[in-house]
Amino acid sequence: EAGVTQSPTHLIKTRGQQATLRCSPISGHTSVYWYQQALGLGLQFLLWYDEGEERNRGNFPPRFSGRQFPNYSSELNVNALELEDSALYLCASSPTGTGGYTGELFFGEGSRLTVL
Amino acid sequence: QKEVEQDPGPLSVPEGAIVSLNCTYSNSAFQYFMWYRQYSRKGPELLMYTYSSGNKEEGRFTAQVDKSSKYISLFIRDSQPSDSATYLCAMTSGGGADGLTFGKGTHLIIQP
Repeated sequence: EAGVTQSPTHLIKTRGQQATLRCSPISGHTSVYWYQQALGLGLQFLLWYDEGEERNRGNFPPRFSGRQFPNYSSELNVNALELEDSALYLCASSPTGTGGYTGELFFGEGSRLTVL
Repeated sequence: QKEVEQDPGPLSVPEGAIVSLNCTYSNSAFQYFMWYRQYSRKGPELLMYTYSSGNKEEGRFTAQVDKSSKYISLFIRDSQPSDSATYLCAMTSGGGADGLTFGKGTHLIIQP
């Protein structure tokens, strides 16, 4: 069974540009979570999508946005890139979102975004 | 005070030693506790999962949760060089809305 897949693996952008990152969850998983892992800061919760809806977002500005498609894949968009957006962006999926959620997440290998 | 505190290390021990990794937390609503292992340039993988207080053993790994002290531990017996990685504790109150709250991770090095 395929795990969580993310693309691209690496992305280099300049300040002010936009970045789009993509994630395909494990088959049968309806919830997708996005995390940012910046150097020295640990994993920070960004966004949670379940059944096509944004359910919650972490403490990030509105220029971080995304969506979930009918096939449960997801896209993270970062507008007006800043140098401090340089990080590993991790996508994770779980079988359910609300009710029965127990915290077990299955992570992809991440997309490394470098902002110059 | 951060919600989850974890010593970043690095922690370096000889092969075969018992390793103890710890996290403390402040949110008493947390009831699901996890340990993830992350190798360099890879995504985290779930290693151990416990609910509420108590111990859980899986192979060489033992996870302990003490909710009264807001303290969780991961023990690794007979440590191997392949155990060298960053270990992240994570926790949640459940329900999905808050995702997981992670510690910053402890970088563990097992010396052959």
